[in-house]
Amino acid sequence: DGGITQSPKYLFRKEGQNVTLSCEQNLNHDAMYWYRQDPGQGLRLIYYSQIVNDFQKGDIAEGYSVSREKKESFPLTVTSAQKNPTAFYLCAVRDRGRIGYGYTFGSGTRLTVV
Amino acid sequence: KNEVEQSPQNLTAQEGEFITINCSYSVGISALHWLQQHPGGGIVSLFMLSSGKKKHGRLIATINIQEKHSSLHITASHPRDSAVYICAVTRETSGSRLTFGEGTQLTVNP
Repeated sequence: DGGITQSPKYLFRKEGQNVTLSCEQNLNHDAMYWYRQDPGQGLRLIYYSQIVNDFQKGDIAEGYSVSREKKESFPLTVTSAQKNPTAFYLCAVRDRGRIGYGYTFGSGTRLTVV
Repeated sequence: KNEVEQSPQNLTAQEGEFITINCSYSVGISALHWLQQHPGGGIVSLFMLSSGKKKHGRLIATINIQEKHSSLHITASHPRDSAVYICAVTRETSGSRLTFGEGTQLTVNP
């Protein structure tokens, strides 16, 4: 995972439940991102955080919440307000290279509503 | 219309063939990324480029900034190259946020 650990790999949620997806990194990078992937669509940004104790909404933040209390951790909570949560969720970190920003992705969590 | 378009959506090749995947974008960018996603879902960054050409092993990525077009080439393709290849751009006006294409599913048969 290049220093990013996502857990669990598979998650099943009942209707009306909140669930939390974990993303931990040991790369010492400041910026972290959560993306959602649906079949036939490009990845879409849910939330991102550029520094501890700060985060911004992405393009599809409704029904999701995040926290960034530690540099290493950026958990994503899928709330009951998210009407269609079944998807593949990817966490990523950004590092600044010579020509711009590079990204390292986790292995993902597949969430299914049952 | 998506800001990042890839073609083809699906590609099937025989082992050993030369493969090209195309990416066109309609916005100003600071960098373009090629990513590889294997069936398990994890994504690996292959290239980040802002001009010219980069090569890594059997993979070659090129970009033409004036034409807003990039290509990913795979020489001497192998079944282990089977994956989804994703083009993404860092827009000039969005800081570090990525905009993704829908991906190209590549299958290389032995």
